[in-house]
Amino acid sequence: AQSVTQLGSHVSVSEGALVLLRCNYSSSVPPYLFWYVQYPNQGLQLLLKYTSAATLVKGINGFEAEFKKSETSFHLTKPSAHMSDAAEYFCAVEAVGTGFQKLVFGTGTRLLVSP
Amino acid sequence: DVKVTQSSRYLVKRTGEKVFLECVQDMDHENMFWYRQDPGLGLRLIYFSYDVKMKEKGDIPEGYSVSREKKERFSLILESASTNQTSMYLCASWTSAREDTQYFGPGTRLTVL
Repeated sequence: AQSVTQLGSHVSVSEGALVLLRCNYSSSVPPYLFWYVQYPNQGLQLLLKYTSAATLVKGINGFEAEFKKSETSFHLTKPSAHMSDAAEYFCAVEAVGTGFQKLVFGTGTRLLVSP
Repeated sequence: DVKVTQSSRYLVKRTGEKVFLECVQDMDHENMFWYRQDPGLGLRLIYFSYDVKMKEKGDIPEGYSVSREKKERFSLILESASTNQTSMYLCASWTSAREDTQYFGPGTRLTVL
């Protein structure tokens, strides 16, 4: 069964610093991978999606993620953090082989941005 | 724009009450989901539906049931609410991982007293 591990329940950065949020997945086949962002009191919205077309995926708000099959990783990065990036971020992997179209989510990482 | 709406943003109920959470999507998606979100636990799948009147248990179905009588509407039912069901409930819908992303509603924060 697929699973997703997000290292670090909280990550703190200063405004302007590099953002790195870690995601490792387990899957027997190259899956579809997703990063979602959740702002306070809102639902989740898609940041980016890996579809095997390219290993480096660019998303909204300057975020990008690199798919590394050898490391089973899909880490999310942004070169320069902005105060508005403070939110919770979820990595998710397609649940392959279940016969159903569903996702498995990580436990989330809350990004804190200080001035 | 795809829209997933949930009937309430905030709900306060008493222990033992029957609670209905409604979700409506406007994109003709086959698949609809109910998740529960708790701090440190991420999103946990309660139930999902892949067609009208079809449902499957997720990872934490105990204490919950669902209903999907129309394609656009998916209801979560707490037959007898308990305090440990105090949580944020998120509804989502999509077609598939290949074609789409899951679209989420704004969530319902349920408090059971």
